Amino acid sequence: EVQLVESGGGLVQPGRSLKLSCAASGFTFSNYYMAWVRQAPKKGLEWVATISTSGSRTYYPDSVKGRFTISRDNAKSSLYLQMNSLKSEDTATYYCARLGGPSLAYYFDYWGQGVMVTVSS
Amino acid sequence: DIQMTQSPASLSASLGETVTIECRASEDIYNGLAWYQQKPGKSPQLLIYNANSLHTGVPSRFSGSGSGTQYSLKINSLQSEDVASYFCQQYYDYPFTFGSGTKLEIK
Repeated sequence: EVQLVESGGGLVQPGRSLKLSCAASGFTFSNYYMAWVRQAPKKGLEWVATISTSGSRTYYPDSVKGRFTISRDNAKSSLYLQMNSLKSEDTATYYCARLGGPSLAYYFDYWGQGVMVTVSS
Repeated sequence: DIQMTQSPASLSASLGETVTIECRASEDIYNGLAWYQQKPGKSPQLLIYNANSLHTGVPSRFSGSGSGTQYSLKINSLQSEDVASYFCQQYYDYPFTFGSGTKLEIK
């Protein structure tokens, strides 16, 4: 059974940093692209970052480019999101998600339960 | 960026009815479209990918169709457990973008 379990969320002040983690199990982690998707309270879904199987290629929307960094440790079957210079508009539930295939252009076939990040003074 | 326009924003239907949710892309996405179901307080779950392929374990009362810029999700024989928000998403091109969602309630 595919399982994705996020951790590391919490309350953080604007301008500070936070690192999220996602522990994966039930599949060969190194064979899949992985991503982070977020959802602001009572809002829709926004893609945040994608990383290739080896970790050599990363992709971000303009809203987080230069502030967020996605990374992975295939030996530990873990995915990370380093978030710097946080803004109030980054307040959201962050989901770890698996892309449904071994390349960039795939849907998200499994999602974690999500972790809440609140950016407020 | 490809814009995804989803309608309606909310929908109320009776048990056993058939409902349809629409999604329009701002350009051709060549069937690179997925539908997700999000129940209250839960994470999104994949229903449909490649516009019309049913994800593992999804009931056959869910179906997807469309091509080009126009896509739809149909739910036959509405059940109480289908109460949820539904989102479309294009993965044809980055940045991936989602529709704004449809909240489905039972009348």
